[in-house]
Amino acid sequence: EVQVVESGGGLIQPGGSLRLSCAASGFSVNSKYIGWVRQAPGKGLEWVSIIYSGGSTDYADSVKGRFSISRDKSQNTVYLQMNSLSAEDTAVYYCAGTDWDRYWYFDVWGRGTLVTVSS
Amino acid sequence: IVLTQSPGTLSLSPGERATLSCRASQSVYSSYLAWYQQKPSQAPRLLIYGASSRATDIPDRFSGSGSGTDFTLTISRLEPEDFAVYYCQYYDSSPAWTFGQGTKVEIK
Repeated sequence: EVQVVESGGGLIQPGGSLRLSCAASGFSVNSKYIGWVRQAPGKGLEWVSIIYSGGSTDYADSVKGRFSISRDKSQNTVYLQMNSLSAEDTAVYYCAGTDWDRYWYFDVWGRGTLVTVSS
Repeated sequence: IVLTQSPGTLSLSPGERATLSCRASQSVYSSYLAWYQQKPSQAPRLLIYGASSRATDIPDRFSGSGSGTDFTLTISRLEPEDFAVYYCQYYDSSPAWTFGQGTKVEIK
């Protein structure tokens, strides 16, 4: 079964850093496009970042320069390194996957991990 | 591209028909328009892709239509499990995966 599971969320102070993990099963993280989508409390969905099967990456303007996405094939895991966090980054962060031939939508989603930025 | 969904909330009874709208700020490719369902404390689930194609295991009471700037998700007869929030989403080549603000379908 194709599945992704997020971890690494928690409470962090403004200005701090946090690394989220997205562990994949049923497929290799090198074979899919893996993205992060976040949802602030009571709000809608916002795309954050993506890593393509070839290894290149893209970011939403709201996180460019602060967040970094990467992957480890040996761990079959995608990471989201988040720096210079602010209250506006408080959200549930979902890992979402898609294939190269249908990358315009996400068909695999994890259950999310909550990041709370607060002093 | 901005996606505007309406109405914000739809109050209906089980068995009724639900019609949800998603309007794009400019004409978009239908192939890149998708719909998701999200229930409380759950991840989004892909319902419709390419504006009108149902995703795997999605019941045929869900249908999508539209082109240009106006798209519609229709639930022909609401089942109790269909009460949820629905999002439309569009991919553009910025790149960006943009979501509408959502329509909540609640029990009347």
